[in-house]
Amino acid sequence: TQLLEQSPQFLSIQEGENLTVYCNSSSVFSSLQWYRQEPGEGPVLLVTVVTGGEVKKLKRLTFQFGDARKDSSLHITAAQPGDTGLYLCAGARSQGAQKLVFGQGTRLTINP
Amino acid sequence: DAGVIQSPRHEVTEMGQEVTLRCKPISGHDYLFWYRQTMMRGLELLIYFNNNVPIDDSGMPEDRFSAKMPNASFSTLKIQPSEPRDSAVYFCASSLLGDTDTQYFGPGTRLTVL
Repeated sequence: TQLLEQSPQFLSIQEGENLTVYCNSSSVFSSLQWYRQEPGEGPVLLVTVVTGGEVKKLKRLTFQFGDARKDSSLHITAAQPGDTGLYLCAGARSQGAQKLVFGQGTRLTINP
Repeated sequence: DAGVIQSPRHEVTEMGQEVTLRCKPISGHDYLFWYRQTMMRGLELLIYFNNNVPIDDSGMPEDRFSAKMPNASFSTLKIQPSEPRDSAVYFCASSLLGDTDTQYFGPGTRLTVL
């Protein structure tokens, strides 16, 4: 059973376009994280959201945690080739819990 | 800091052989995690330790897999005997309690079992 469903699984767009990827669950999470993974490397944390409805911005990336803390989205404005990678969401079931549940990931390709 | 260090980076072995993967966590971190990543199943948690003690090994696929953490700076994941379906990238990660659940991943070991 995949507790976190990410969509789309694959996305290929042109440089300069905007995009949104989604992370959905029927379960409530205490916090949710987004990671980016590049080929041959481990995932690197981008952001952690902990409050329902929370919005965080990281340059051209905007992360939102759903009001019910069951879903999250990542929006990228004016995508660049350097944004290419595998984006993973991960949820913690309780506050302070070290065990994370990962989604399958969205493989994003930005074409120059 | 050098980050999480894993060795080897690549391992090719034949079915039935023993495989040992190694990890050195970030100094001072008190949690260590072993994950496996495949295209089909994504990133799966196998086991994690707190202060060198295994806390949750429910993700370990079967008895062929074992993990140890003899001290705060070293952990191993062993597969004996290995099977082709064990082929995957194995990641080690470490974290520090209180650091908002941030896990720092190593570069991974790509295991191929022929």
